[in-house]
Amino acid sequence: SQTIHQWPATLVQPVGSPLSLECTVEGTSNPNLYWYRQAAGRGLQLLFYSVGIGQISSEVPQNLSASRPQDRQFILSSKKLLLSDSGFYLCAWSEKGVAKNIQYFGAGTRLSVL
Amino acid sequence: ILNVEQSPQSLHVQEGDSTNFTCSFPSSNFYALHWYRWETAKSPEALFVMTLNGDEKKKGRISATLNTKEGYSYLYIKGSQPEDSATYLCAFNFGNEKLTFGTGTRLTIIP
Repeated sequence: SQTIHQWPATLVQPVGSPLSLECTVEGTSNPNLYWYRQAAGRGLQLLFYSVGIGQISSEVPQNLSASRPQDRQFILSSKKLLLSDSGFYLCAWSEKGVAKNIQYFGAGTRLSVL
Repeated sequence: ILNVEQSPQSLHVQEGDSTNFTCSFPSSNFYALHWYRWETAKSPEALFVMTLNGDEKKKGRISATLNTKEGYSYLYIKGSQPEDSATYLCAFNFGNEKLTFGTGTRLTIIP
């Protein structure tokens, strides 16, 4: 069966520090991968998605970047965090071509930038 | 800009009562409408995916309907139980890799 791992669960970082959140999927190959953010009082906003190694689509201009160095690894990064980067970050995956793009989510990372 | 709207934003329901809430989405270029349940301290989980106008899906006490011509979907919960407390998200799909999520309806069941 497929599983998705996302870490860390909680992170407190000072403004201006770098960020690296990692997500890995097991039990499937060539998945679509996604990074979402939920800001306080708002829905899930798609930040990045990837359909393959090295292929990243950015949905909103922001202080963040994403990379997919391996088939089942998706990394969310920032060189210098802003206060506005605080929020809850979710990684998700979906299987290509089937099941109407049902997405399966990780447990999330709560990021507080102080 | 694609707007997927959910109402109400939050809802308190007495245990045993039935309830429903709404997801509105663009009626053009429709491909699929998803419902997810997001319980506190857990990951969002898919409840239903609907693709055809008039679709009705059911899972236990929870059901959903779809009207693609007018651009709305209803989620119904019959005989609410405390374990139904969660945020319910709908998401719209054009047929590509992306989902556009609504802001969710936060449901609290009062024992």
